[in-house]
Amino acid sequence: EPEVTQTPSHQVTQMGQEVILRCVPISNHLYFYWYRQILGQKVEFLVSFYNNEISEKSEIFDDQFSVERPDGSNFTLKIRSTKLEDSAMYFCASSEPQTRTDEQYFGPGTRLTVT
Amino acid sequence: DQQVKQNSPSLSVQEGRISILNCDYTNSMFDYFLWYKKYPAEGPTFLISISSIKDKNEDGRFTVFLNKSAKHLSLHIVPSQPGDSAVYFCAASVGSSNTGKLIFGQGTTLQVKP
Repeated sequence: EPEVTQTPSHQVTQMGQEVILRCVPISNHLYFYWYRQILGQKVEFLVSFYNNEISEKSEIFDDQFSVERPDGSNFTLKIRSTKLEDSAMYFCASSEPQTRTDEQYFGPGTRLTVT
Repeated sequence: DQQVKQNSPSLSVQEGRISILNCDYTNSMFDYFLWYKKYPAEGPTFLISISSIKDKNEDGRFTVFLNKSAKHLSLHIVPSQPGDSAVYFCAASVGSSNTGKLIFGQGTTLQVKP
């Protein structure tokens, strides 16, 4: 069964450093998303991406964040200058155009630890 | 931002019995509701969904009920199995926005005892 994959599974970085989290969505999916879950809190929407453009972004997704689809398979989230409060589990998701975009398939997540 | 709320952090049921997980929402613009299941060290897995034009949707052992007037939905699992033990998230979206943004509840940890 096709699945969303994410790398790395765990990333440790120092405050102020740039990180890039990588995702490979399901191959025929055209809608891509990033969510995060701070320990003990809700899963929060960060951004949705379609047709090489951001469709919607949350208040969390400020100028420190960016997304890119550098080739036909990868979808990346970059945090330019990490803060302690960026420590969280980051989930990538994708959905296919034939169903509602809400029915999203999630990857296993990348745990980001900022020290 | 408490647009989607799951007031029970945990639920414990005996194998074979019914599990009922509840979710409340406040935004009347929500028109699509989903349940996701999450095991430790994995991402959320889509379980079942319901459109606001329906009041019930069934898929095998899983049934979701929607009460729009009460802004309440529930997930019924019958019969419950030990493999159902996981965190269950309710999520909602505004379909007309067409961006796929999901608003999640806090989750309910279900434990099914053998």
